[in-house]
Amino acid sequence: DGGITQSPKYLFRKEGQNVTLSCEQNLNHDAMYWYRQDPGQGLRLIYYSQIVNDFQKGDIAEGYSVSREKKESFPLTVTSAQKNPTAFYLCASKREVSNQPQHFGDGTRLSIL
Amino acid sequence: QQQVKQSPQSLIVQKGGISIINCAYENTAFDYFPWYQQFPGKGPALLIAIRPDVSEKKEGRFTISFNKSAKQFSLHIMDSQPGDSATYFCAASRLYNQGGKLIFGQGTELSVKP
Repeated sequence: DGGITQSPKYLFRKEGQNVTLSCEQNLNHDAMYWYRQDPGQGLRLIYYSQIVNDFQKGDIAEGYSVSREKKESFPLTVTSAQKNPTAFYLCASKREVSNQPQHFGDGTRLSIL
Repeated sequence: QQQVKQSPQSLIVQKGGISIINCAYENTAFDYFPWYQQFPGKGPALLIAIRPDVSEKKEGRFTISFNKSAKQFSLHIMDSQPGDSATYFCAASRLYNQGGKLIFGQGTELSVKP
């Protein structure tokens, strides 16, 4: 079955540590997205990528970094510069044809130790 | 101008009743308005979506009503069931701009009582 796989489901970060969240899709989608979800604030866009080797900052990119070396993979690194990283992180993808919907993975919950 | 405001924050409805969730937006350049349903510990799943050239779209028990002049749209869930208990998000985007990024409302936690 095609879908978006996020791993791990739960992740704990120590102070000063960088952590990387994985997002893999086998839907052959061109565009991929990372969102952060906090209670009562909906989802906010961190980064997005429309093609391999290219990505754009979203609304809350500070303290995060991404790469897009392969079409099916879009890992997100939460750096030590992100002072409030505790949140639910969601990866999404869609076909580049503009009117196609975004499909979401089941998220990674990141907490601070 | 990029915001989407959603209300109410939480909603309790009896089984068989109608659930109504409202959203308002400012940016008239938005041209795609989806609704997502999210269960605890899961990612959002697309429920139904509408473009601004139609005023209503229905899929099963779910209906989107769209008022372009008022810059408002709403989700109606008819014959609400306990299985509909979830968090619902409205969103808006410009399909041909910024990768079609979605601007989400704050979410509505719906509880349907049996």
